[in-house]
Amino acid sequence: SQTIHQWPATLVQPVGSPLSLECTVEGTSNPNLYWYRQAAGRGLQLLFYSVGIGQISSEVPQNLSASRPQDRQFILSSKKLLLSDSGFYLCAWRTGKYEAFFGQGTRLTVV
Amino acid sequence: SQQGEEDPQALSIQEGENATMNCSYKTSINNLQWYRQNSGRGLVHLILIRSNEREKHSGRLRVTLDTSKKSSSLLITASRAADTASYFCATDDAGNMLTFGGGTRLMVKP
Repeated sequence: SQTIHQWPATLVQPVGSPLSLECTVEGTSNPNLYWYRQAAGRGLQLLFYSVGIGQISSEVPQNLSASRPQDRQFILSSKKLLLSDSGFYLCAWRTGKYEAFFGQGTRLTVV
Repeated sequence: SQQGEEDPQALSIQEGENATMNCSYKTSINNLQWYRQNSGRGLVHLILIRSNEREKHSGRLRVTLDTSKKSSSLLITASRAADTASYFCATDDAGNMLTFGGGTRLMVKP
């Protein structure tokens, strides 16, 4: 069966520090991968999506970047975090036009 | 950017009552999906309705889609306290994007 792993669950980072969040998927091949950010009590904002290794589409200009070094690995990064980068980050995968499967999320607090 | 917008933003009902949430979107879609999120957790897929479908059922869930009005509704019948969660619609466009709305926070009181 397919599973998605996202870590860490919580993270507290100082302003100006780097960030690396990792998401891996098991049990499927060539998934579409997504990074979303959710502010408290709000909807999901699509940050990046990827349809294949090395293929990244960015939806909003921001202080973040994404990479897909392997078929089932999706990494969200920042060189220098801002206070406004705080939020709940969710990774998701799907194949084709079907439903998406989400990780449990990472709550990032930038202090 | 957010494609779907849910209405209402928050809904409080008694156990046993029905809950209706609405979603409006702006552009053409391939399908529309509804998800549930318990507080502080990831989203779980509930139901998918294709653009050529008008209604779909799954257990206590009923989804309708009106592409002429670019709107969808999710009905939860005979609600339970365990249905308390946030509910989101998501639109699947012609590309690979899956775009979510702002969500409806549902509280079901026992």
